[in-house]
Amino acid sequence: NAGVTQTPKFQVLKTGQSMTLQCAQDMNHEYMSWYRQDPGMGLRLIHYSVGAGITDQGEVPNGYNVSRSTTEDFPLRLLSAAPSQTSVYFCASREIGQGNDYGYTFGSGTRLTVV
Amino acid sequence: RKEVEQDPGPFNVPEGATVAFNCTYSNSASQSFFWYRQDCRKEPKLLMSVYSSGNEDGRFTAQLNRASQYISLLIRDSKLSDSATYLCVARIYNFNKFYFGSGTKLNVKP
Repeated sequence: NAGVTQTPKFQVLKTGQSMTLQCAQDMNHEYMSWYRQDPGMGLRLIHYSVGAGITDQGEVPNGYNVSRSTTEDFPLRLLSAAPSQTSVYFCASREIGQGNDYGYTFGSGTRLTVV
Repeated sequence: RKEVEQDPGPFNVPEGATVAFNCTYSNSASQSFFWYRQDCRKEPKLLMSVYSSGNEDGRFTAQLNRASQYISLLIRDSKLSDSATYLCVARIYNFNKFYFGSGTKLNVKP
């Protein structure tokens, strides 16, 4: 059981380039999300999805796009990379259930540097 | 103002010590709470959920104080392997958004 798989693990981009961070989960989780983690800022929600075809913005969505065509995949697109997007990006998924909340399962992260 | 705030630490404690972290949340509509552990350059991993009645898992005890809007994590008999950053998480009323604190760093020394 692979859990949440993110690729690539490391990436260096030049300002203005675009790229897609991949995220796939094999747990049949309905909910998937993207976070960025910066020193002193904690994890901040970029975009999230509650199921195939449904996405919504989080706290810091500017400069990023997402789509959810299948339950398994939730790619994050950087439209025109900027140095301010240098960060560690985590994809996470969880069940949506009645009653108790379920915690996230995180991918191993993508370390992105924009120069 | 951040939704969830934590003392960044570091907390430096000897092996065997008991250490406690607090985390405050600003939105009284927060409904669910969690503690995550994050090792250096790794992803966060769920440590435990925090229930209204409090809960315990081995050496770890989590408490919720709704009146004062904080949650706590108590670690007894600290091990070297407990050294990590501990993240506090709150789900605000909006079902779909979890808010993370910036984390509290714990160093357990021999």
